[in-house]
Amino acid sequence: IQMTQSPSSLSASVGDRVTITCRASQGISNYLAWYQQKPGKVPKVLIYDASTLQSGVPSRFSGSGSGTDFTLTITSLQPEDVATYYCQKYNSDPLTFGGGTKVEIK
Amino acid sequence: EVQLLESGGGLAQPGESLRLSCAASGFTFGSYAMNWVRQAPGKGLEWVSVISGPGTYTKYAASVKGRFTISRDNSRNTLYLDVNSLTVEDTAMYFCAKAKKSISWIDSWGQGTLVIVSS
Repeated sequence: IQMTQSPSSLSASVGDRVTITCRASQGISNYLAWYQQKPGKVPKVLIYDASTLQSGVPSRFSGSGSGTDFTLTITSLQPEDVATYYCQKYNSDPLTFGGGTKVEIK
Repeated sequence: EVQLLESGGGLAQPGESLRLSCAASGFTFGSYAMNWVRQAPGKGLEWVSVISGPGTYTKYAASVKGRFTISRDNSRNTLYLDVNSLTVEDTAMYFCAKAKKSISWIDSWGQGTLVIVSS
């Protein structure tokens, strides 16, 4: 199963609403996680089970979707959100990651 | 606090082998599946392998199947990855990563160990 993220990069202004999509080539129910990797740091989970916010993650992050189409939304982009974002499926092996979306501040 | 400390990376020539290790602490190691995830320089995350808590279930990415072997010693709280027949495409940071439960999303990551394959 392939995981396709789009866009591969984006540039937005502080306060903008940002949407990243992840498409699975086959249905994966809601077995999808979103990770944030800041430059030079290890990834950290933001969302699991497609829409459950991990404890401690700001509420401006949200996830939605089921089956093949998923979305990560940042409702009001902040400077500290500069990072690369990855989706990952975990319904079955292989536990494939998407190719990543690099988010920058305009 | 979960801690994962990888070791064993380094410079290897094509065709050589390495054993990567990950020392775990701060949780009941044998109760959780563990993963290896790699990241080539400037590239995205690539899932490599997973092993169940008891070590009875293992899966691999197609790119490493037959060359890499994941294992664990629950008495030593240590995860391993034996990497054989290395190619330049295996050059990457290798992360040890704890699953939230069984085969599931990752809730903790180590800092990684760098493998460079070059002649």
